[in-house]
Amino acid sequence: DAKTTQPPSMDCAEGRAANLPCNHSTISGNEYVYWYRQIHSQGPQYIIHGLKNNETNEMASLIITEDRKSSTLILPHATLRDTAVYYCIVRVMKTSYDKVIFGPGTSLSVIP
Amino acid sequence: KAGVTQTPRYLIKTRGQQVTLSCSPISGHRSVSWYQQTPGQGLQFLFEYFSETQRNKGNFPGRFSGRQFSNSRSEMNVSTLELGDSALYLCASHNGQTNTGELFFGEGSRLTVL
Repeated sequence: DAKTTQPPSMDCAEGRAANLPCNHSTISGNEYVYWYRQIHSQGPQYIIHGLKNNETNEMASLIITEDRKSSTLILPHATLRDTAVYYCIVRVMKTSYDKVIFGPGTSLSVIP
Repeated sequence: KAGVTQTPRYLIKTRGQQVTLSCSPISGHRSVSWYQQTPGQGLQFLFEYFSETQRNKGNFPGRFSGRQFSNSRSEMNVSTLELGDSALYLCASHNGQTNTGELFFGEGSRLTVL
């Protein structure tokens, strides 16, 4: 089972910030938080990941709470092309396996 | 550099047939994992290969199998196809470094079973 919970859907006005929440209350100390998105009928695309510090790249920002039990992906200026399903996953990679479990994600609709 | 390449992109089979899908990872990536995506079940992990060895397997029947070659290319095979096997099959690669290697997905192979 997925170790994260996300709202099934969200709307965001074009040009505004999209804030996508994710709960991962059972996250372990060695698990990272990763975000991916999937535009219709394409393969998922990596967005960002973090362990405990906030992270920012050219696509988005990731805010992780101090207790690491939840996080928020921020798309600072959403465009219509950001309409996609966003997946939050927690991931640990051991030497013996690398198993990634995706939940149902959040379907983000950016509205003109 | 080139991304993850999956072939074929689309294919149609009939029940009882078998199918082989191919995945070429990003150059230098040694880990390849496979996922099945259906509208009802979402993205489900099939298996993961690293240096030609299957490291982990999801909850799929034995009709689903895979392998990885010495050049890291991977194939998955589904035998005795059922209607429910209709899905988008996604392959992902990463560089195998602990917790720093994000997954890179291909565009998928869309299988329709009639």
